[in-house]
Amino acid sequence: SQQGEEDPQALSIQEGENATMNCSYKTSINNLQWYRQNSGRGLVHLILIRSNEREKHSGRLRVTLDTSKKSSSLLITASRAADTASYFCATDASSGNTPLVFGKGTRLSVIA
Amino acid sequence: GAGVSQTPSNKVTEKGKYVELRCDPISGHTALYWYRQSLGQGPEFLIYFQGTGAADDSGLPNDRFFAVRPEGSVSTLKIQRTERGDSAVYLCASSKTSPSGGDGEQFFGPGTRLTVL
Repeated sequence: SQQGEEDPQALSIQEGENATMNCSYKTSINNLQWYRQNSGRGLVHLILIRSNEREKHSGRLRVTLDTSKKSSSLLITASRAADTASYFCATDASSGNTPLVFGKGTRLSVIA
Repeated sequence: GAGVSQTPSNKVTEKGKYVELRCDPISGHTALYWYRQSLGQGPEFLIYFQGTGAADDSGLPNDRFFAVRPEGSVSTLKIQRTERGDSAVYLCASSKTSPSGGDGEQFFGPGTRLTVL
């Protein structure tokens, strides 16, 4: 079963604009990760935020986590056509190596 | 340093046939995961290995699915009597294990697209 729900399901923006995607989850987590997937194949790890963190940055990416609302957001600033992909949040419930539980993803289209 | 590799990249088979999907994890990664992704959905967990043993196989949908990792490196996902509903992309991932447990970042392979006719 899927843990999280991304919102929106699809997002279309112009190059240079910011893109914000949201993720909600159901159970307590150890950390939350965001992945990108191009053309329905392998996933690329973008950023990990621990349950005791509230915000994290990596290049043009900014992730926030609100454990009281069981939600996270991914902001991509100054988007580029190459950012066109599906974005998934994934959670794990305990520390160490445990399976990830993914949401259904947001399909982002950046129009040049 | 090579990433996770999966073979074949595409597999077309007929209903009722047996298939094997292979995953080569990153060298030194003790944890290996199999996920299945249907069109328009996120990946769903199938089975997880820690070394040679299956630490959690709760995601396997039924007893037609089986996976092995005999030497703690390469893993094979085996599907017997394939059905059309088994059509999906099968993803493999690996991660490190540290004494403290690690962050859990998983590195994914490109997947095998299985089509059952």
